[in-house]
Amino acid sequence: NAGVTQTPKFQVLKTGQSMTLQCAQDMNHNSMYWYRQDPGMGLRLIYYSASEGTTDKGEVPNGYNVSRLNKREFSLRLESAAPSQTSVYFCASSEGGGKFWETQYFGPGTRLLVL
Amino acid sequence: TQLLEQSPQFLSIQEGENLTVYCNSSSVFSSLQWYRQEPGEGPVLLVTVVTGGEVKKLKRLTFQFGDARKDSSLHITAAQPGDTGLYLCADHNFGNEKLTFGTGTRLTIIP
Repeated sequence: NAGVTQTPKFQVLKTGQSMTLQCAQDMNHNSMYWYRQDPGMGLRLIYYSASEGTTDKGEVPNGYNVSRLNKREFSLRLESAAPSQTSVYFCASSEGGGKFWETQYFGPGTRLLVL
Repeated sequence: TQLLEQSPQFLSIQEGENLTVYCNSSSVFSSLQWYRQEPGEGPVLLVTVVTGGEVKKLKRLTFQFGDARKDSSLHITAAQPGDTGLYLCADHNFGNEKLTFGTGTRLTIIP
């Protein structure tokens, strides 16, 4: 099992360019998440998908869009990148259902620099 | 909005020493999870604590949940270089898909 995979690992963009971050999981999980991680701020939720076909905003959704393509894949799109979106992006998945003992499994991250 | 504050923000100690890091919330935790993130990787779950006053041990790591369920601590005995990483606490709201993460403690163990 690969767990949660993310592509690309690194990306440099110029302001105004667009890109899509890809995420896939092979654990048959229902829920998937996108976070960003900035120094001193922990992980902040951008969007999540509780099940195939549904998506909801998290704490910091502005400037991002998401697509739950199927049960395995959840993509994050930056339509017009800004320097404030320079960050490390993590995708995660979990079984779903909101159980308090539930584990989220994280991918290795995508490091994005916007110039 | 719930705020999770972790302290200290940075900690650097010698191998073999003991240490404690803390997580405090502005509101009562539903349940609390501790994750460890090694450099260049995503976070990995260490433990979930649910009941006020609960203590869980994972080898040299001891996790304690405050009686009022607004704070938690992680104690490491005889720290090793493999303990180096970012330690994150997170509140898992029952019935909610979302986790709220703390600001993190970056721990460095010097051989």
